[in-house]
Amino acid sequence: DTEVTQTPKHLVMGMTNKKSLKCEQHMGHRAMYWYKQKAKKPPELMFVYSYEKLSINESVPSRFSPECPNSSLLNLHLHALQPEDSALYLCASSQEGAGTGHYEQYFGPGTRLTVT
Amino acid sequence: QKEVEQDPGPLSVPEGAIVSLNCTYSNSAFQYFMWYRQYSRKGPELLMYTYSSGNKEDGRFTAQVDKSSKYISLFIRDSQPSDSATYLCAMSAGGAGSYQLTFGKGTKLSVIP
Repeated sequence: DTEVTQTPKHLVMGMTNKKSLKCEQHMGHRAMYWYKQKAKKPPELMFVYSYEKLSINESVPSRFSPECPNSSLLNLHLHALQPEDSALYLCASSQEGAGTGHYEQYFGPGTRLTVT
Repeated sequence: QKEVEQDPGPLSVPEGAIVSLNCTYSNSAFQYFMWYRQYSRKGPELLMYTYSSGNKEDGRFTAQVDKSSKYISLFIRDSQPSDSATYLCAMSAGGAGSYQLTFGKGTKLSVIP
């Protein structure tokens, strides 16, 4: 099973709202990722968690707050977003690559976020 | 020069054609190569993963890597309308840089019945 699930599929929020995106994988992967994808562009890396610890933050604004409650779950908390934050938010997971030769990432279906 | 170059297309072919999708790269540290298929408004789906020069086949798909030329290809045989999607190449240096995938811009493919 190479499935990463994400909820919700769609989200519309106002600029003053607080909402959360959720991601889950049961492949035993120890690295999990958040990406942002705008139309007709490739995914852009936002955050990486390795063994439930934040490993990479690609200078993402603080209105995006990631959380990794356990090895299977990843959340992205959203607060005071701007209209330009509207995008497809993708979660991905991979084995811990170093030494294993496995660097491929498996993506979820994404959450389409619209900020009004 | 961008690290990964991929012709954005669009590429339109008749059903049954052989499709060739390509990426070139400039960073010789890239050792691991992926092809993803992304349908409109969906997440990327991993199609192929390779790390050695040569060919890797999976059904109608063949991934080809030429590290000496820094060139990778994805061939789709007997293309179907359901293959219509955007195809993204992605690469990793592995090791300490294993979390970072560098993507091509994606090639939009349409297979016409």
